[in-house]
Amino acid sequence: HLVQSGAEVGKPGESLKISCKASGDRSTNYWIAWVRQMPGKGLEWMGIVYLDDSDSIYSPSVQGQVTFLTDSSITTAFLHWTSLQASDTGIYYCARQKGNCGSGGCETGSFDIWGQGTMVTVSS
Amino acid sequence: DIQMTQSPTSLSASVGDRVTITCRASQFIHTYLHWYQHKPGSAPKLLLYTASTLQSGVPSRFSGRGSGTEFTLTIDSLQPDDFASYYCQQSFESPRTFGQGTKVDIK
Repeated sequence: HLVQSGAEVGKPGESLKISCKASGDRSTNYWIAWVRQMPGKGLEWMGIVYLDDSDSIYSPSVQGQVTFLTDSSITTAFLHWTSLQASDTGIYYCARQKGNCGSGGCETGSFDIWGQGTMVTVSS
Repeated sequence: DIQMTQSPTSLSASVGDRVTITCRASQFIHTYLHWYQHKPGSAPKLLLYTASTLQSGVPSRFSGRGSGTEFTLTIDSLQPDDFASYYCQQSFESPRTFGQGTKVDIK
């Protein structure tokens, strides 16, 4: 299971970090994806992070806007903003990638286990 | 980036109907195509991976076909639990884009 941290409310310019903890599995040899859903929109792939060492691949749409972090000792991935914007409002999901593949093509690049989602609201 | 285009974007159907959703990729993606079901307030759920392989625990009324650039998700005999949004997603290259979604609601 992936268990995400609770809903957050922040102001523009503030920093924020949300978490995604893998429970029931002490392995760290897999990739965690971050997927967002903006209000009224569909799912958007933000990127993936390797739980063991924080190796990350970002979508160009979020590159430089967020940072993927991990703490393998507690099997937890984090999504970090240094400066929130109103446009960051949305639901953020973490998900486990089936296959152990990073950049490039990944036949097993589906996401079979998902967190429950974290609602992030950014408002002044 | 590879663009994934689903059609239709929404449809209305009745319990027992057969429903087909199409997903087209802007370039060749082999069978690196996966389907998800998403209901409001819940996490997305993997239905099929690599175009046609049913994820464990998913009812057999869900099926997928296709390769290259065109793919379909079919739901045979739509059930009340199937009213949801459906997304395709490619993993042929990064960014591993999703389609815009297809909302299936009750006629």
